[in-house]
Amino acid sequence: AQTVTQSQPEMSVQEAETVTLSCTYDTSENNYYLFWYKQPPSRQMILVIRQEAYKQQNATENRFSVNFQKAAKSFSLKISDSQLGDTAMYFCACAELTGNQFYFGTGTSLTVIP
Amino acid sequence: NAGVTQTPKFRVLKTGQSMTLLCAQDMNHEYMYWYRQDPGMGLRLIHYSVGEGTTAKGEVPDGYNVSRLKKQNFLLGLESAAPSQTSVYFCASTQLAGEQYFGPGTRLTVT
Repeated sequence: AQTVTQSQPEMSVQEAETVTLSCTYDTSENNYYLFWYKQPPSRQMILVIRQEAYKQQNATENRFSVNFQKAAKSFSLKISDSQLGDTAMYFCACAELTGNQFYFGTGTSLTVIP
Repeated sequence: NAGVTQTPKFRVLKTGQSMTLLCAQDMNHEYMYWYRQDPGMGLRLIHYSVGEGTTAKGEVPDGYNVSRLKKQNFLLGLESAAPSQTSVYFCASTQLAGEQYFGPGTRLTVT
């Protein structure tokens, strides 16, 4: 079974600054996908960014980018120009193509300070 | 296009009562999932389905049953609720190698 580890239960960042959330995972599969989801106080899970393991180029989505280190099994999320609306719980997830099961980390609670 | 919907949004049960949570998706996805979310534990997979008529156990299946009689619906049943099942329940759906789309969640309290 896969495991996904987020070692930072809570983080904070000043508005307009940059913050990096860490995630490591463990899988024996060669084909898998990685995701970061955001869960604001509304409780709705929202996809932030996605990375295919076979792609070497790091994914970016506007202010959000990842640092994907396949050999180290590391998948960190960088949020640039942090905004108050970024305050949320962030979950890292890994999905194997075999069975299409998703494995989630325990989350990092991010607070953006005005 | 409603995406993934869950019914009900809130429920309070007494210990020993039963209930069914309904998940519906209109995206023609093959895969559907039920998770529970507890503080400090992230999302844990209860059961999942890889297609109509099929179900499989996830990480924490005890005390729950599921059915997928129609492709668009995935039902989660609690036959005899226990306080340990107090949680927020999320349904999700996806296609192979796609992102998961989540419902809004159901907050269940068992007293």
